Amino acid sequence: GAVVSQHPSRVICKSGTSVKIECRSLDFQATTMFWYRQFPKKSLMLMATSNEGSKATYEQGVEKDKFLINHASLTLSTLTVTSAHPEDSSFYICSAPPGLAGSFSYNEQFFGPGTRLTVL
Amino acid sequence: AQSVSQHNHHVILSEAASLELGCNYSYGGTVNLFWYVQYPGQHLQLLLKYFSGDPLVKGIKGFEAEFIKSKFSFNLRKPSVQWSDTAEYFCAVNEGGSARQLTFGSGTQLTVLP
Repeated sequence: GAVVSQHPSRVICKSGTSVKIECRSLDFQATTMFWYRQFPKKSLMLMATSNEGSKATYEQGVEKDKFLINHASLTLSTLTVTSAHPEDSSFYICSAPPGLAGSFSYNEQFFGPGTRLTVL
Repeated sequence: AQSVSQHNHHVILSEAASLELGCNYSYGGTVNLFWYVQYPGQHLQLLLKYFSGDPLVKGIKGFEAEFIKSKFSFNLRKPSVQWSDTAEYFCAVNEGGSARQLTFGSGTQLTVLP
């Protein structure tokens, strides 16, 4: 299957600093990537949809100025947590559908391994 | 808006027992249905998926799921669980036709006792 990677896998930062998380599709191009947040013992909550060549679409309640998303190329999306606070500590997961919009394979998504963010 | 319900939050079984995890969704249109598994410390992996066709789908590791449209359900089953099946299981849905973000259920933690 298609492979999605995330970097870093784990990051610890001080409150007030910014952290960048990368999501890469390794063997396919992804015009769309999704960013989720997973709290301990909880399900995944969609934060935003990252679109190559256009602005990201944020879910209700997600601060777009705090969680900056840049879809720099067809294989890379980045999530920057700005001015991080302890409540931003979480597990951030990205996913990407292989194939082009409208194609059958576009219905499926492949997930990255996640990034554990701890804000002190 | 879609929603997905997984009624079993934590299931504990002995090895060789049969498993059925419930999943119900609320959406009136065409849907794509998925079951994902997350082993401890690992990322989400696709167990199986339903897009169309035969409502009984078979996935990896002996899992299967049945889509019952009239009940808005997509329950996951395995006839005989193993200790290695201990993991968190997530049901997910997106709208059919083109890629949409997934809506996840709250997850079910399965613990299989040796």
